[in-house]
Amino acid sequence: AQSVAQPEDQVNVAEGNPLTVKCTYSVSGNPYLFWYVQYPNRGLQFLLKYITGDNLVKGSYGFEAEFNKSQTSFHLKKPSALVSDSALYFCAVRGARRRGYQKVTFGTGTKLQVIP
Amino acid sequence: DTAVSQTPKYLVTQMGNDKSIKCEQNLGHDTMYWYKQDSKKFLKIMFSYNNKELIINETVPNRFSPKSPDKAHLNLHINSLELGDSAVYFCASSHIVGEGTEAFFGQGTRLTVV
Repeated sequence: AQSVAQPEDQVNVAEGNPLTVKCTYSVSGNPYLFWYVQYPNRGLQFLLKYITGDNLVKGSYGFEAEFNKSQTSFHLKKPSALVSDSALYFCAVRGARRRGYQKVTFGTGTKLQVIP
Repeated sequence: DTAVSQTPKYLVTQMGNDKSIKCEQNLGHDTMYWYKQDSKKFLKIMFSYNNKELIINETVPNRFSPKSPDKAHLNLHINSLELGDSAVYFCASSHIVGEGTEAFFGQGTRLTVV
C-alpha cells in the first residue's frame, strides 16, 4: 500500500526566510509526486509535480521541490517566504503501473505560517 | 470561467435527511472524483469515475451513492444523513487515468448535519 508522511503539522517561518515543508513517501514502483496548496475555505490548488527527469521541479508561485529517490522524499521549498504563502500544504503520491488505476494518496497536510 | 464547480457551497441539514451535491467540470477531463475532508483536514478519496464508469469505490457507507450522467458531471447523493457525515466534500477532475496528471478541485461543499 502506498503512503505519504508529512511529519510536521505546522511550520513557522519569518517572511523573507527560506522555507521547507517535508514529505516522504512509500510506493511500489516509480512514483508520481504532487504538491497542492489549500487556502482557507478554498479547494486544493496544484503547485507542482514530479513524474520523471530532473530531480528539482519548479512550480507555481516560486515553489520548487526536490525528488530524492534514496531518501524517498519530496520536500517543498521556497527561497524567500511571503506572508501570502501561509496556507495548508498537501503532498500526494500515486504509484505508476502499467495497468489498472492507481489512486492518489494524500498526506495529512502541513500548515505553513509565515510571520511578518 | 469556473473549471470545477460544486453546488451548493454550504449545506445544513437535519439527521436522517437525504441530500445531493452536484459537480460539473468544463475542462474536458475524463476522470472525476469525490473527496472528503474531515475536521482535522485529512483528505480521503471516496469515489472516482472514468468516462462515467466507477473505478474507485473506497470503504464508504452504502448511504453514499455517486452518479455520473456524463463525463462532465459527477453528483453525490447521501441518504439518511448522520452527524459523522459533517465534513467538506470536494469534487475534482483530471485527465487520463493512470498518468501523472494533476487534479483540479472544486471549492468544496461544507456539509453540516445537525
